Amino acid sequence: AQSVTQLDSQVPVFEEAPVELRCNYSSSVSVYLFWYVQYPNQGLQLLLKYLSGSTLVESINGFEAEFNKSQTSFHLRKPSVHISDTAEYFCAVSHMNSGYSTLTFGKGTMLLVSP
Amino acid sequence: GAGVSQSPSNKVTEKGKDVELRCDPISGHTALYWYRQSLGQGLEFLIYFQGNSAPDKSGLPSDRFSAERTGGSVSTLTIQRTQQEDSAVYLCASSPGVWTEAFFGQGTRLTVV
Repeated sequence: AQSVTQLDSQVPVFEEAPVELRCNYSSSVSVYLFWYVQYPNQGLQLLLKYLSGSTLVESINGFEAEFNKSQTSFHLRKPSVHISDTAEYFCAVSHMNSGYSTLTFGKGTMLLVSP
Repeated sequence: GAGVSQSPSNKVTEKGKDVELRCDPISGHTALYWYRQSLGQGLEFLIYFQGNSAPDKSGLPSDRFSAERTGGSVSTLTIQRTQQEDSAVYLCASSPGVWTEAFFGQGTRLTVV
């Protein structure tokens, strides 16, 4: 069975500090990996994705994530966070199941950036 | 172009009533998902439509929940005899096909009183 684990429900951090949001998945087949972000009172937006090729993927606002197949992880990192990065972050995996592609989400990590 | 559109944005209903939630996916997207988001519970998968294939209903929590997708486009999620535990934000997403990211609507906040 497919599952996504986000180990931290909440991560408090000070502005300009580095942050890592952890994501581990379990799957017996090949997967694609995604990070979505949900700002307060808004819908989910795609932040970045890994489909193939380089295992390190970047977003336009300074986040990056690295696909590690041996550790089945896709951790999200940013070297210096801003107040505006305060949001909930969801890791997701897409896998083939009986010919379908289903998108499974973790429970989310709330990133709280304070001055 | 237009994104995924959901209506209504908010719905308050009395316990025991039926509700219908609507989703208009992005034009041309063959895949459509419904999720439920409750506080502290993350995103709970409900149902998935892909083209003309039979939907994956494995996430529907009870037989009070059903969904259909007409003409491969608009989808309606119906909850019969609503209960207070059905209160949540219901999210719809569509994608161009398999193995691609999904685009989400703003959701319908359902409150059962």
